[in-house]
Amino acid sequence: DTEVTQTPKHLVMGMTNKKSLKCEQHMGHRAMYWYKQKAKKPPELMFVYSYEKLSINESVPSRFSPECPNSSLLNLHLHALQPEDSALYLCASSQRGPDLGEKLFFGSGTQLSVL
Amino acid sequence: GDSVTQMEGPVTLSEEAFLTINCTYTATGYPSLFWYVQYPGEGLQLLLKATKADDKGSNKGFEATYRKETTSFHLEKGSVQVSDSAVYFCALFTGGGNKLTFGTGTQLKVEL
Repeated sequence: DTEVTQTPKHLVMGMTNKKSLKCEQHMGHRAMYWYKQKAKKPPELMFVYSYEKLSINESVPSRFSPECPNSSLLNLHLHALQPEDSALYLCASSQRGPDLGEKLFFGSGTQLSVL
Repeated sequence: GDSVTQMEGPVTLSEEAFLTINCTYTATGYPSLFWYVQYPGEGLQLLLKATKADDKGSNKGFEATYRKETTSFHLEKGSVQVSDSAVYFCALFTGGGNKLTFGTGTQLKVEL
């Protein structure tokens, strides 16, 4: 299994809603990442978990809250988002830590629309 | 800081044409260099990589050579197919940054 699975594929939410994005991998990878990608732009790193501990937070607003319940799962909890947060949210994983420049395996993303 | 500059797109080619997508970089130290590809509606996939000067990465007919003297990592393919239509991202990694730095992406459209 060489896949990173993200659910849901599409999500529409209001600014007062609370929702969660889910990411799962069963490759035994120990680093997991959240990226945000606006249309026609490159992905922007948000968070990195390394061995289930948050190792990088790229100054992301607190309305985004990551969680890593175990080495295979990564969640992104969303609350009180703004319309400008609408984007494709990509999860990725790598075999070891983020400091090794390894290949990233990406999921297909969750297309989020905030109304 | 580290940065990657890619040629602007979209690049439109006929099937079987030769492809070059230019990529140059600025980095402290000795970065690893990558090309990722994003097909419509999907996440990114690693296409190829090179970790030191003069290394050539290759995959699926695509090639790129790490040129330290010109700080470049241009992507080439001898004969493109319609199925190669996608957005191509050049990226670099240095240990000091602990993260990939992506270029802005180049959209490739291949027509029959």
